[in-house]
Amino acid sequence: ELKVEQNPLFLSMQEGKNYTIYCNYSTTSDRLYWYRQDPGKSLESLFVLLSNGAVKQEGRLMASLDTKARLSTLHITAAVHDLSATYFCAVDRSWGGADGLTFGKGTHLIIQP
Amino acid sequence: DADVTQTPRNRITKTGKRIMLECSQTKGHDRMYWYRQDPGLGLRLIYYSFDVKDINKGEISDGYSVSRQAQAKFSLSLESAIPNQTALYFCATSGNQGPRNQPQHFGDGTRLSIL
Repeated sequence: ELKVEQNPLFLSMQEGKNYTIYCNYSTTSDRLYWYRQDPGKSLESLFVLLSNGAVKQEGRLMASLDTKARLSTLHITAAVHDLSATYFCAVDRSWGGADGLTFGKGTHLIIQP
Repeated sequence: DADVTQTPRNRITKTGKRIMLECSQTKGHDRMYWYRQDPGLGLRLIYYSFDVKDINKGEISDGYSVSRQAQAKFSLSLESAIPNQTALYFCATSGNQGPRNQPQHFGDGTRLSIL
């Protein structure tokens, strides 16, 4: 059974600081996704990571994937208030013969001025 | 207009009632999914469908059923609703051309409360 663990689950940080959210998963997969969710809203795709060593950057966010370690990271550089949201990582279930995504529990990020 | 439309957006009902949540998409995707979101638990997959003739159970299908009426429509039913099915429900789609190279696209969600 595929399990996806995120940490931390809650993070309060100041503007201008750097931080990293970690996503560990339990079985082989080479496809990992990061989503953002604002309160009361749907999920917005941030990154699709498709292979070992993949790194993608968009603005102050950078995501990476290490399939050997079964670990993805989402790094926030010089945080700004607008990045306050809940961030989810999700792993593709197809490696196990199924479909759909298994999500982590999410990281609730608050960025204080 | 939204590419993935869910109706209703909000629903309050009583224990034992039959509920249907509907999802339609204009993206032309073959794959459709239903997830539920509970506070602190992330999203969990209920059912998914590759096409009209292919329906598959997800991680938490007990107490739910689905119908794929057309390529663009995928409905989720609760035959006899119970309070622990109170949650936010999302429909999602993904493309059939190299689907896993693309993210899933989510609807705006249906907030369901069962009293």
